[in-house]
Amino acid sequence: QVQLVQSGAEVKKPGASVKVSCKASGYTFIGYYIHWVRQAPGQGLEWMGRINPNSGGTKYAQKFQGRVTMTRDTSISTAYMELSRLGSDDSAVFYCAKGQGNGMDVWGQGTTVTVSS
Amino acid sequence: QSALTQPASVSGSPGQSITISCTGTSSDVGGYNYVSWYQQHPGKAPKLMIYEVSNRPSGVSNRFSGSKSGNTASLTISGLQAEDEADYYCSSYTNNNAGVVFGGGTKLTVL
Repeated sequence: QVQLVQSGAEVKKPGASVKVSCKASGYTFIGYYIHWVRQAPGQGLEWMGRINPNSGGTKYAQKFQGRVTMTRDTSISTAYMELSRLGSDDSAVFYCAKGQGNGMDVWGQGTTVTVSS
Repeated sequence: QSALTQPASVSGSPGQSITISCTGTSSDVGGYNYVSWYQQHPGKAPKLMIYEVSNRPSGVSNRFSGSKSGNTASLTISGLQAEDEADYYCSSYTNNNAGVVFGGGTKLTVL
């Protein structure tokens, strides 16, 4: 079945970076965008950006420009999202999601990132 | 990018119908038929319920339907069931940076 499996929870200090992975299976990885979405505790969904796994081309939300980097490794059907210069307000659950048309039809289980000194 | 506007909460009794609105601008909701709706239960990942304004993915109940008029999209749930109680989010393509924008979310309570 189509699924996205994300890496485990992370605890980081302010100013550090975090890199979250998202391994795809059950479909042709290079055929569909991978989106990244952030959800702070008790808050709504926030689109961070997306990557085209075929070309490696990216589009980032303006809010995260300069601080986020999305990459992929097609040999292992895995996408990555790295967020730098972490602050306490970056504590959140980060989701990857498979693009379908202009929706996101399959979601990873989420990765909790806690930023604390 | 400004978030799309959704009511914070809606409620209904089992068997009733409810509608959740999602208001944007001509740069997003009004300009493209690229509105999606997601259901999220507490502690779970979101689930796609509607894509491209009114299309249901395979496996989603036909009690869920979507529509759009001008800059406002709507999600209607008919025959409310207890399991429908969740948070619902709309999203749209936006020509602002050619990205995606989400609504703030609506908490549905089934009374």
